[in-house]
Amino acid sequence: DVKVTQSSRYLVKRTGEKVFLECVQDMDHENMFWYRQDPGLGLRLIYFSYDVKMKEKGDIPEGYSVSREKKERFSLILESASTNQTSMYLCASCYWSPPRDPFFGQGTRLTVV
Amino acid sequence: AQKITQTQPGMFVQEKEAVTLDCTYDTSDQSYGLFWYKQPSSGEMIFLIYQGSYDEQNATEGRYSLNFQKARKSANLVISASQLGDSAMYFCAMREAFFGNEKLTFGTGTRLTIIP
Repeated sequence: DVKVTQSSRYLVKRTGEKVFLECVQDMDHENMFWYRQDPGLGLRLIYFSYDVKMKEKGDIPEGYSVSREKKERFSLILESASTNQTSMYLCASCYWSPPRDPFFGQGTRLTVV
Repeated sequence: AQKITQTQPGMFVQEKEAVTLDCTYDTSDQSYGLFWYKQPSSGEMIFLIYQGSYDEQNATEGRYSLNFQKARKSANLVISASQLGDSAMYFCAMREAFFGNEKLTFGTGTRLTIIP
């Protein structure tokens, strides 16, 4: 079975802390994505990556950065966490071609206090 | 402008009835793909069905079918004979090329509740 694993299920951080959310996939997928999910807003794309060291901004990149040093790992970084970044964060990965359904991690519920 | 629009924030449907969840999309690409995902209260994202823009037949997966109307840019999910276990959030998503890469965009979701 394909696995997309997020490092933490629940996380509580203080305002101003630097936060790392890790995502690892075991299927050699080229594409990886980070989303945040908030009630009434659905899943909003933060950043995505199509290859090692490559990244593209999604729809809401402000306050976030990403790192992809290895193909299987895609990290989301909150440089200075703020309370409005309290959310559920979802990682996904998929092949480039042929089109396949993306696989999702279990999600990380981040609370910034 | 929204890429994916789901206009039904919530729906209540009687068990065993069919239900249609609406999704419209916006893209200028010729090649794209449309997905539906189910998210139960546990939070996992479960893939339901996929439709490619060049597929002439509507996609079907068991009780799920995708009513694809390309000219109207709509990709509605139809669930036949609904069951209590169908109660969940449902998300429509679109996959499109982005300067040679893949971008995957989701709608705001529809919360479906099946009533016994």
